[in-house]
Amino acid sequence: GAGVSQSPSNKVTEKGKDVELRCDPISGHTALYWYRQSLGQGLEFLIYFQGNSAPDKSGLPSDRFSAERTGGSVSTLTIQRTQQEDSAVYLCASSRGRVGNQPQHFGDGTRLSIL
Amino acid sequence: AQTVTQSQPEMSVQEAETVTLSCTYDTSESDYYLFWYKQPPSRQMILVIRQEAYKQQNATENRFSVNFQKAAKSFSLKISDSQLGDAAMYFCAYRRRDRDDKIIFGKGTRLHILP
Repeated sequence: GAGVSQSPSNKVTEKGKDVELRCDPISGHTALYWYRQSLGQGLEFLIYFQGNSAPDKSGLPSDRFSAERTGGSVSTLTIQRTQQEDSAVYLCASSRGRVGNQPQHFGDGTRLSIL
Repeated sequence: AQTVTQSQPEMSVQEAETVTLSCTYDTSESDYYLFWYKQPPSRQMILVIRQEAYKQQNATENRFSVNFQKAAKSFSLKISDSQLGDAAMYFCAYRRRDRDDKIIFGKGTRLHILP
Protein backbone atom coordinates (compact mmCIF):
# COMPACT_ATOMS: atom_id res chain seq x y z
CA GLY A 1 0.00 0.00 0.00
CA ALA A 2 0.91 3.64 -0.17
CA GLY A 3 1.47 4.13 3.53
CA VAL A 4 1.82 2.38 6.86
CA SER A 5 -1.43 0.62 7.72
CA GLN A 6 -2.54 -0.14 11.27
CA SER A 7 -5.49 -2.12 12.50
CA PRO A 8 -7.79 -1.87 14.25
CA SER A 9 -8.22 1.87 14.29
CA ASN A 10 -9.86 1.70 17.69
CA LYS A 11 -10.00 -1.09 20.25
CA VAL A 12 -11.99 -1.20 23.47
CA THR A 13 -11.43 -4.11 25.81
CA GLU A 14 -11.87 -5.10 29.40
CA LYS A 15 -9.07 -5.04 31.91
CA GLY A 16 -7.27 -8.37 32.02
CA LYS A 17 -7.90 -9.30 28.40
CA ASP A 18 -5.14 -9.78 25.82
CA VAL A 19 -5.02 -7.55 22.73
CA GLU A 20 -3.20 -7.71 19.43
CA LEU A 21 -2.41 -4.66 17.33
CA ARG A 22 -1.29 -4.98 13.75
CA CYS A 23 1.07 -2.91 11.61
CA ASP A 24 1.62 -3.33 7.89
CA PRO A 25 4.66 -1.26 6.87
CA ILE A 26 5.40 0.33 3.54
CA SER A 27 6.57 -2.28 1.06
CA GLY A 28 10.35 -2.51 0.96
CA HIS A 29 10.89 -0.85 4.33
CA THR A 30 13.20 -2.96 6.45
CA ALA A 31 12.89 -1.00 9.68
CA LEU A 32 9.72 -0.99 11.79
CA TYR A 33 9.03 0.84 15.05
CA TRP A 34 6.29 0.80 17.66
CA TYR A 35 5.60 3.87 19.79
CA ARG A 36 3.02 4.57 22.46
CA GLN A 37 1.33 7.92 22.96
CA SER A 38 -0.45 8.35 26.26
CA LEU A 39 -2.93 11.19 26.76
CA GLY A 40 -1.13 14.53 26.76
CA GLN A 41 2.27 12.94 26.23
CA GLY A 42 4.74 12.64 23.42
CA LEU A 43 5.54 9.39 21.74
CA GLU A 44 7.33 6.79 23.81
CA PHE A 45 9.50 4.27 21.98
CA LEU A 46 8.56 0.63 22.54
CA ILE A 47 10.38 -1.67 20.13
CA TYR A 48 12.35 -1.58 16.87
CA PHE A 49 12.85 -4.23 14.19
CA GLN A 50 15.55 -3.99 11.51
CA GLY A 51 15.64 -6.71 8.89
CA ASN A 52 16.64 -10.04 10.38
CA SER A 53 18.51 -8.54 13.33
CA ALA A 54 17.42 -9.11 16.89
CA PRO A 55 14.84 -6.45 17.80
CA ASP A 56 15.61 -3.58 20.16
CA LYS A 57 13.11 -4.20 22.96
CA SER A 58 14.53 -1.61 25.31
CA GLY A 59 11.35 0.47 25.39
CA LEU A 60 8.87 -2.23 26.33
CA PRO A 61 7.39 -1.18 29.71
CA SER A 62 6.78 -4.67 31.09
CA ASP A 63 6.87 -8.35 30.19
CA ARG A 64 3.17 -8.12 29.35
CA PHE A 65 4.22 -6.41 26.13
CA SER A 66 5.69 -8.33 23.22
CA ALA A 67 5.97 -7.91 19.48
CA GLU A 68 6.89 -9.98 16.51
CA ARG A 69 7.50 -9.34 12.88
CA THR A 70 6.80 -12.16 10.50
CA GLY A 71 8.64 -12.48 7.21
CA GLY A 72 10.23 -9.08 7.68
CA SER A 73 6.95 -7.35 6.95
CA VAL A 74 3.80 -7.30 9.09
CA SER A 75 4.25 -6.78 12.82
CA THR A 76 1.95 -7.59 15.72
CA LEU A 77 2.17 -5.91 19.11
CA THR A 78 0.60 -8.03 21.85
CA ILE A 79 -0.39 -6.79 25.29
CA GLN A 80 -1.31 -9.50 27.76
CA ARG A 81 -3.52 -9.04 30.82
CA THR A 82 -4.24 -5.42 29.90
CA GLN A 83 -4.29 -2.75 32.58
CA GLN A 84 -5.97 0.65 32.53
CA GLU A 85 -2.61 2.38 32.22
CA ASP A 86 -2.16 0.62 28.87
CA SER A 87 -4.83 2.92 27.42
CA ALA A 88 -3.07 4.97 24.75
CA VAL A 89 -2.61 5.41 21.03
CA TYR A 90 -0.14 2.92 19.63
CA LEU A 91 1.68 4.19 16.57
CA CYS A 92 3.73 2.20 14.12
CA ALA A 93 6.36 3.62 11.77
CA SER A 94 8.59 2.18 9.08
CA SER A 95 11.67 3.36 7.24
CA ARG A 96 13.78 2.22 4.38
CA GLY A 97 17.23 1.46 5.67
CA ARG A 98 19.94 1.22 8.25
CA VAL A 99 21.24 4.77 8.22
CA GLY A 100 19.71 7.61 10.13
CA ASN A 101 18.81 9.78 7.19
CA GLN A 102 15.85 7.64 6.19
CA PRO A 103 12.60 9.27 7.31
CA GLN A 104 10.15 7.32 9.43
CA HIS A 105 6.66 7.09 7.98
CA PHE A 106 3.89 6.77 10.55
CA GLY A 107 0.57 5.03 10.45
CA ASP A 108 -2.64 6.50 11.86
CA GLY A 109 -2.34 4.51 15.05
CA THR A 110 -4.60 2.28 17.11
CA ARG A 111 -6.46 3.92 19.98
CA LEU A 112 -6.63 1.35 22.77
CA SER A 113 -9.08 1.88 25.60
CA ILE A 114 -9.07 -0.41 28.63
CA LEU A 115 -12.28 -0.40 30.64
CA ALA B 1 20.46 9.61 27.58
CA GLN B 2 18.98 12.00 25.08
CA THR B 3 16.02 14.14 26.10
CA VAL B 4 13.78 16.61 24.31
CA THR B 5 11.91 19.33 26.18
CA GLN B 6 9.03 21.47 24.98
CA SER B 7 8.13 23.99 27.64
CA GLN B 8 4.94 25.33 26.03
CA PRO B 9 2.03 22.89 26.40
CA GLU B 10 -0.30 25.19 24.43
CA MET B 11 -0.03 28.27 22.27
CA SER B 12 -2.42 30.42 20.29
CA VAL B 13 -1.83 32.67 17.32
CA GLN B 14 -4.03 34.84 15.19
CA GLU B 15 -4.53 33.69 11.63
CA ALA B 16 -1.90 35.21 9.27
CA GLU B 17 0.40 36.03 12.18
CA THR B 18 3.74 34.42 13.05
CA VAL B 19 4.32 32.06 15.95
CA THR B 20 7.43 30.42 17.37
CA LEU B 21 7.43 27.09 19.19
CA SER B 22 10.33 26.36 21.52
CA CYS B 23 12.35 23.19 21.96
CA THR B 24 15.52 22.30 23.81
CA TYR B 25 17.30 19.00 23.84
CA ASP B 26 20.18 17.26 25.51
CA THR B 27 22.64 14.86 23.94
CA SER B 28 26.30 13.94 24.11
CA GLU B 29 26.31 13.08 20.41
CA SER B 30 27.78 15.55 17.92
CA ASP B 31 25.95 14.33 14.84
CA TYR B 32 22.20 13.93 14.83
CA TYR B 33 18.92 15.02 13.30
CA LEU B 34 16.27 17.24 14.75
CA PHE B 35 12.68 17.25 13.57
CA TRP B 36 9.38 18.98 13.98
CA TYR B 37 6.36 16.73 13.50
CA LYS B 38 2.76 17.85 13.22
CA GLN B 39 -0.05 15.68 14.53
CA PRO B 40 -3.56 16.76 13.52
CA PRO B 41 -6.66 15.11 15.06
CA SER B 42 -6.31 12.32 12.50
CA ARG B 43 -3.39 11.12 14.68
CA GLN B 44 -0.97 10.68 11.80
CA MET B 45 2.49 12.10 12.43
CA ILE B 46 3.51 14.40 9.60
CA LEU B 47 7.11 15.48 9.20
CA VAL B 48 7.19 19.27 8.94
CA ILE B 49 10.90 20.01 8.81
CA ARG B 50 14.23 18.35 9.45
CA GLN B 51 17.60 19.79 10.49
CA GLU B 52 20.93 18.02 10.25
CA ALA B 53 23.17 18.99 13.16
CA TYR B 54 26.30 19.30 11.03
CA LYS B 55 24.65 21.97 8.88
CA GLN B 56 24.86 25.51 10.20
CA GLN B 57 22.19 26.82 7.85
CA ASN B 58 18.70 26.76 9.31
CA ALA B 59 16.24 24.54 7.45
CA THR B 60 13.19 26.10 5.80
CA GLU B 61 10.09 24.59 4.21
CA ASN B 62 7.76 27.19 2.75
CA ARG B 63 6.13 28.94 5.74
CA PHE B 64 8.06 26.83 8.26
CA SER B 65 11.59 27.60 9.39
CA VAL B 66 13.78 26.70 12.32
CA ASN B 67 16.27 28.51 14.50
CA PHE B 68 18.92 25.91 15.30
CA GLN B 69 21.37 26.89 18.00
CA LYS B 70 23.68 23.90 18.42
CA ALA B 71 25.76 25.23 21.28
CA ALA B 72 22.64 26.14 23.23
CA LYS B 73 20.91 22.90 22.17
CA SER B 74 17.90 24.86 21.07
CA PHE B 75 15.66 24.15 18.08
CA SER B 76 12.65 26.43 17.66
CA LEU B 77 10.04 26.31 14.91
CA LYS B 78 8.68 29.47 13.32
CA ILE B 79 5.41 29.35 11.43
CA SER B 80 4.77 32.39 9.27
CA ASP B 81 1.41 33.49 7.92
CA SER B 82 -0.40 31.01 10.16
CA GLN B 83 -3.34 29.21 8.60
CA LEU B 84 -6.30 27.41 10.17
CA GLY B 85 -4.91 24.13 8.86
CA ASP B 86 -1.81 24.62 10.99
CA ALA B 87 -3.80 23.88 14.13
CA ALA B 88 -2.38 20.66 15.58
CA MET B 89 -0.01 19.19 18.13
CA TYR B 90 3.61 19.89 17.25
CA PHE B 91 6.35 17.60 18.45
CA CYS B 92 10.04 18.36 18.53
CA ALA B 93 12.15 15.24 18.07
CA TYR B 94 15.73 13.98 18.01
CA ARG B 95 17.43 11.08 16.31
CA ARG B 96 21.05 10.09 16.07
CA ARG B 97 22.48 10.19 12.58
CA ASP B 98 24.84 7.27 12.38
CA ARG B 99 22.22 4.55 12.31
CA ASP B 100 18.52 3.92 11.82
CA ASP B 101 17.40 4.49 15.36
CA LYS B 102 14.36 5.36 17.38
CA ILE B 103 13.15 8.94 17.51
CA ILE B 104 12.99 10.67 20.86
CA PHE B 105 10.04 13.02 21.12
CA GLY B 106 9.15 15.96 23.31
CA LYS B 107 5.73 16.10 24.96
CA GLY B 108 4.35 18.43 22.35
CA THR B 109 2.83 21.88 22.00
CA ARG B 110 -0.81 22.24 21.05
CA LEU B 111 -1.17 25.12 18.60
CA HIS B 112 -4.49 26.92 18.24
CA ILE B 113 -5.14 29.22 15.29
CA LEU B 114 -7.59 32.03 16.03
CA PRO B 115 -9.67 33.18 13.05
